[in-house]
Parts: sequence; C-alpha cells; structure tokens
Amino acid sequence: SQQGEEDPQALSIQEGENATMNCSYKTSINNLQWYRQNSGRGLVHLILIRSNEREKHSGRLRVTLDTSKKSSSLLITASRAADTASYFCAPLNDMRFGAGTRLTVKP
Amino acid sequence: EAGVAQSPRYKIIEKRQSVAFWCNPISGHATLYWYQQILGQGPKLLIQFQNNGVVDDSQLPKDRFSAERLKGVDSTLKIQPAKLEDSAVYLCASSLGHKPNYGYTFGSGTRLTVV
Repeated sequence: SQQGEEDPQALSIQEGENATMNCSYKTSINNLQWYRQNSGRGLVHLILIRSNEREKHSGRLRVTLDTSKKSSSLLITASRAADTASYFCAPLNDMRFGAGTRLTVKP
Repeated sequence: EAGVAQSPRYKIIEKRQSVAFWCNPISGHATLYWYQQILGQGPKLLIQFQNNGVVDDSQLPKDRFSAERLKGVDSTLKIQPAKLEDSAVYLCASSLGHKPNYGYTFGSGTRLTVV
C-alpha cells in the first residue's frame, strides 16, 4: 500500500499559470520529498522539506508541510510547458508512492 | 557524479521466460530500492536493501521475483517465470541513506514487455 497519496490525479493549466498539487501521508514522518517524472524517464528529486519546517522554496517551487494534518502541498509558479510531468510525494523514511498528479501545461 | 545506471534499457520476452535486470547505484550509496511501475500508475516498491541486507521485501512476489545485492554495490532483480502482468518499467534508486538533506537518485529504468 502506498504511503504518499497525491491529489488531484490530473491537472491541466495554461503556461504562466500556477499549479498546486497536494499530498497526504499515513504515518509520522521525519522529512517529506517531492519528485517529478517525465514520460518514459526515472523520477527526479525536486525538494525535501523537514518535519520541523512549514514552508520551503526552491526557484519556482514552494512546498508546505502540515504535520498535524499529515499533508503537504507543492506549488509551481509561472508554469512552463517543460513542467509537464507526473509529480509524486513520499516520506524520506517510507519510500512508497501513490499514483501521482499528472500535470499538463499547455503552451 | 555519475548517476544510477540500469540495464538493459528495454527487454521483450515471452511469458514463462526468465529475465534479469541490473542496477549500479551511485558509488557509496548504501540504500538501494527496486520499484515496479505499470503504465499510468505510481512506482510500487518491491524491495529495499541497506548495503547487502534486505530491509523490506514485503511487496516482492517471492514466488517469481528475486533480488540480490552482492557486496553491497550492484544489484540484480530477476523474474522467473514472467507473466503478462509483469510488463512494466523497473526502476532502481539509491541514496546515502542517512543524510536527511538527500533525496534518492533514480535510474532511467528497464522497460519490460512480456508477450
């Protein structure tokens, strides 16, 4: 069974818009990570947020973490066509993924 | 730094045949995972190694799947005999394992088609 579970399953936006996707997990965590997967490729590590952090930024990425709700969100600002991919979350101490959020950014 | 290497990149076999996949993690990475990713789904964890010991293989179909990591470096995943439902991409990932700032590095995967 998966540990990280992403929502929504699919998201379609126009280039330049912001994209927000959510992650829920089941057990206590130490750190939570987000990954991107382009079609036909392996997963690429995007960002890790520690359990004592509430928000973290990396370029156009903003991640929040609410340990009381066991949830996290990933915001991609000013999206580009190259951001089209599937996005997954997983706790660092339990590397089981959900089905992911499939993001499509239309040019 | 070299990435996680996997081979072969593609493999087509007939059902009931055997197949093996190979993974060479980043040098010094103690933790290694194998995943199965069926088209349209998220990666499913099959097995986790810490050095050459198995940490978690609870989702590995042990009647047909086996994996080993000799000397705590390279790893092989074998399927014997293969079924049609084994068609998937098999991903390998590695990490130093104990540093909280590091995520995991994934290989490009082996795409298996069972016909």
